[in-house]
Amino acid sequence: NAGVMQNPRHLVRRRGQEARLRCSPMKGHSHVYWYRQLPEEGLKFMVYLQKENIIDESGMPKERFSAEFPKEGPSILRIQQVVRGDSAAYFCASSPPGSRSYEQYFGPGTRLTVT
Amino acid sequence: GNSVTQMEGPVTLSEEAFLTINCTYTATGYPSLFWYVQYPGEGLQLLLKATKADDKGSNKGFEATYRKETTSFHLEKGSVQVSDSAVYFCALSDPDYGQNFVFGPGTRLSVLP
Repeated sequence: NAGVMQNPRHLVRRRGQEARLRCSPMKGHSHVYWYRQLPEEGLKFMVYLQKENIIDESGMPKERFSAEFPKEGPSILRIQQVVRGDSAAYFCASSPPGSRSYEQYFGPGTRLTVT
Repeated sequence: GNSVTQMEGPVTLSEEAFLTINCTYTATGYPSLFWYVQYPGEGLQLLLKATKADDKGSNKGFEATYRKETTSFHLEKGSVQVSDSAVYFCALSDPDYGQNFVFGPGTRLSVLP
C-alpha cells in the first residue's frame, strides 16, 4: 500500500512564474491537507480538502495561492507569480474518510526554490 | 486558539544519554497528541501518539505520556543513538475544532558518537 505521493520532490521557479505541486493521497483516503514549512520552522496549516470541496482554507494566503482536489486525479496546490518568500517545503497529508480523524499521513514534501 | 510549545533546540547529546524534549499545549477541547520525526531531507513520520489523558505512546524506545493536568506531552528516550539525530515535532489534533494539525516549531536533536 503506497504512502502519500508528492511530485515533484524539488521545484525551482523564477520570480513571477507559476508553481504546481501535486499530491496523491493514500489509497482509500479522501481527505487531503496542505502544510508549508519555512526554513527552520514548524509546519503551518494551509488548506483542507475533500473530493471536489474545500473544507477549510483558513491558512491559505488570500492572493496567488489556490488548491483543488478533483474527483479524479491528485490534489493540486497552485502558486501563481511566485516570489522569493514562497521558497519553502510544502507537505501534503491524507486521512481516511470519517467524521473524526486523529491521524494524518504525510508525504515526502516538495521543496520549492524561487530564484 | 490551539497552540503547541516546544523546548528550543538544538539539543546535542552523546550516544546513550537520556533524552527529554518538553512539549506543552493549549487547546479548547480534548485533543489527541502526537510526536513526529523528520530526518534530513525527508517528510514527517509519525513517531507516537496518545488520544486521551494518561495514555502513554511509545515506539522505538521513545515514550510520551498525555498529562492533562499539566497540559504536557514530553518526549523521552532512555538511551539515544546517533541514528536518532533528526528534528522532532510535537503536534495536536482537535477534530471538534477543525481537522488540521497544529505543530510546534520543532526541536533539532544531534547525537554525537
